[in-house]
Amino acid sequence: SQQGEEDPQALSIQEGENATMNCSYKTSINNLQWYRQNSGRGLVHLILIRSNEREKHSGRLRVTLDTSKKSSSLLITASRAADTASYFCATNAYRGAQKLVFGQGTRLTINP
Amino acid sequence: DAGVTQSPTHLIKTRGQQVTLRCSPISGHKSVSWYQQVLGQGPQFIFQYYEKEERGRGNFPDRFSARQFPNYSSELNVNALLLGDSALYLCASSLSQGTTGELFFGEGSRLTVL
Repeated sequence: SQQGEEDPQALSIQEGENATMNCSYKTSINNLQWYRQNSGRGLVHLILIRSNEREKHSGRLRVTLDTSKKSSSLLITASRAADTASYFCATNAYRGAQKLVFGQGTRLTINP
Repeated sequence: DAGVTQSPTHLIKTRGQQVTLRCSPISGHKSVSWYQQVLGQGPQFIFQYYEKEERGRGNFPDRFSARQFPNYSSELNVNALLLGDSALYLCASSLSQGTTGELFFGEGSRLTVL
């Protein structure tokens, strides 16, 4: 079963606009990670935020984490056509094991 | 440096057959994990191996098994294939076994069961 749920399931915006994706999860976590997947290929790690962090930045990416609401958001600023992909949040709630629990993903389309 | 490599990239099997998927981790990575991704879903955890020992197992039947070799490469075996086993099988490696690191994924092996 999947712990995380992404919202929206699909998002279509114009190039240059900002894209925001949300993720909710059910249990306490050690960290939350965001991954990108291009059209059925392998996943690429984007950013990791630990449970004691509230916000993290990496280039055009901004991730927030609210452990009281069990939710996270990923903001991509100044979107580009190359950002078109599926984005997944993944939580790690297990000590001593690397068992990531992924959500169902947000399919992001950037229109030129 | 080479990334995580998986083979084969695509394969077609019929119900009841057996399949073996292979994964070579990034050099120096001792942890290998396997995930199943059904079309339209997020990946689901199958196994994690670290230093040749199983460290975690997901909610999959005993038809699924795996092992890790002394060179840290890994195989995933699935017996008695069912139509529902059709999926993209992803291998990921990392430096540590714990919770702190990112995973590096291969491009996957796409299995179709007819």
